[in-house]
Parts: sequence; structure tokens; C-alpha cells
Amino acid sequence: QKEVEQDPGPLSVPEGAIVSLNCTYSNSAFQYFMWYRQYSRKGPELLMYTYSSGNKEDGRFTAQVDKSSKYISLFIRDSQPSDSATYLCAFSASKIIFGSGTRLSIRP
Amino acid sequence: KAGVTQTPRYLIKTRGQQVTLSCSPISGHRSVSWYQQTPGQGLQFLFEYFSETQRNKGNFPGRFSGRQFSNSRSEMNVSTLELGDSALYLCASSLGKGEETQYFGPGTRLLVL
Repeated sequence: QKEVEQDPGPLSVPEGAIVSLNCTYSNSAFQYFMWYRQYSRKGPELLMYTYSSGNKEDGRFTAQVDKSSKYISLFIRDSQPSDSATYLCAFSASKIIFGSGTRLSIRP
Repeated sequence: KAGVTQTPRYLIKTRGQQVTLSCSPISGHRSVSWYQQTPGQGLQFLFEYFSETQRNKGNFPGRFSGRQFSNSRSEMNVSTLELGDSALYLCASSLGKGEETQYFGPGTRLLVL
């Protein structure tokens, strides 16, 4: 079983929709949970960071962590074409492990 | 605060050559990690340097090596380049205390012909 599983997509939704991106993990030692956004031909950019179960909100973005189910999600409300990018989940214990990324496209 | 910078941004080499990539971390960050990103394999960890010492290493052949200087700047070297080494090479810096987040540079896109 892979340490981190992330659906590669691509995921295409209309502008204004709520987007849900998900990752599962198997390593109970992971303590920090992150989401990165990567635009084409750019480096990943840290979007959200949390270390506890529950929800963390930042503008249109909500990160959700369920440690009991080993499941994290990123929700994007009122999605915009500028949100079109690849989203990578990442987990940290002694080092950081990245998911393979989900390609998201927001249709105007 | 300035972000992570990488040079060069683009590079074209031929098989058998070697290449050196450079990374300057965010001021105050002592850890630098290197990743290879390809469409097929995603983001793969190469190695991490902290205080001029390699602290973690991924599963890459010995052709891939790195070093870190006293000012935390880091270089990555790939010798005897192969076509499959064509990729985006990213470096990321962090404080180095083990579990905090990393901040990425824009990457160096390497094309091996």
C-alpha cells in the first residue's frame, strides 16, 4: 500500500462550483498536513497547513483533516478559472511525502 | 522576505554531460531539499541538506549528488546525464527543525538531448 494516495484527475468543474480534493494516507506518524498548488511550469506554492483534526479555513479554501480515517480534503468554494492548477497534498513526519497531485480545471 | 531562488531556470544538455543546479533558500532557512518532478513520476525526493550535511536521501543513483554551503545555499549535480533525467528540478527550503512546511523555488527545467 502506498503511503499517500491521491486521485490524479483531471477534474473539470464549472466556475462557481464547490471543489473537493482528497487524499488518503497510511502512516500514523504523519503530524502535519499540507496542500500545495502548482501552476503549469511553476514550483508548488504552499496553500494550507494544519496539524490537527478538524477544519481550517482561509478565504475560499477549507482544509479538513480526519486523523481517525487517515483522510484529508481541500474544499474550494466559488471556484474561479484562476484556481485551475495541480493540487498536491503533503504529509510530514521526519520528512515530507507528497501525493501525486490532482489536475483541476475550472471552466468559465 | 525574498523567496527561494533557483538558477538557471532552463538548461539544455546532451547525454553524457554533467550539470550543476543552484538553489538559494529563504533567509534564515537552514534546510534545503531537492526534488525531481516529471509528468509520469510526480514529485520525487532526491535529498535534503541541513547545516552542510546530507540529512535524508531518496532512491536515486549516485549520479545525483548535492552539497550545501555555510550560507545554506545548495547545489545539485547530475553526472553522465541520461535522456530520462529530463525533468523539472525543484528545491525547497525550510527552517530545518524537522516537521515544518517547505517553500519551493520556481525550479530548473532540464532537457537532455
